[in-house]
Amino acid sequence: EAGVAQSPRYKIIEKRQSVAFWCNPISGHATLYWYQQILGQGPKLLIQFQNNGVVDDSQLPKDRFSAERLKGVDSTLKIQPAKLEDSAVYLCASSSRDPRSGYTFGSGTRLTVV
Amino acid sequence: GQQLNQSPQSMFIQEGEDVSMNCTSSSIFNTWLWYKQDPGEGPVLLIALYKAGELTSNGRLTAQFGITRKDSFLNISASIPSDVGIYFCAALNYGGSQGNLIFGKGTKLSVKP
Repeated sequence: EAGVAQSPRYKIIEKRQSVAFWCNPISGHATLYWYQQILGQGPKLLIQFQNNGVVDDSQLPKDRFSAERLKGVDSTLKIQPAKLEDSAVYLCASSSRDPRSGYTFGSGTRLTVV
Repeated sequence: GQQLNQSPQSMFIQEGEDVSMNCTSSSIFNTWLWYKQDPGEGPVLLIALYKAGELTSNGRLTAQFGITRKDSFLNISASIPSDVGIYFCAALNYGGSQGNLIFGKGTKLSVKP
């Protein structure tokens, strides 16, 4: 089966600019997650979708980050305006209805804010 | 909030040696997972554990779900160069209020041929 697709792979922007990341999960996976991974740390959940609804966005900095999954399939994560501390790898993952089988991660988008 | 304490932070070993790493928490979980992440890639699932005391193997990898449900360990036997990478523990309370996967900070493994 095809894996989780993410684009772009790399992005460099200046602070205060905006950026968007795209994710296409594994076909049939109802749940989609966006994680932020800062260098040297483990991934940290930003937002979780179940189909096209938000399940948990408690750790999403809503003043600058937004995400949508309008048709319950692919998803977009946006940052506007970006700050230097947003430099990180943004990972998208998906899972079946039972997440205990583990999440499948994409390769991530490496964002550098200068 | 909930957090996982993973140790050691890094390991530098000789090829053929066995490796052991562990993860502890002050919180109880009903699922423990171990992932490996290679440079420039997302984490890949190695082993999933669903029951306290469970011991599960995947080739040269063995992991255990602690009986207190607050810890887990991963062993790698007879390490080879391709074992190099960052290993993450992760934990989940499926069905509870915390239904999301949280991660430790990782153990970076380096193997000298």
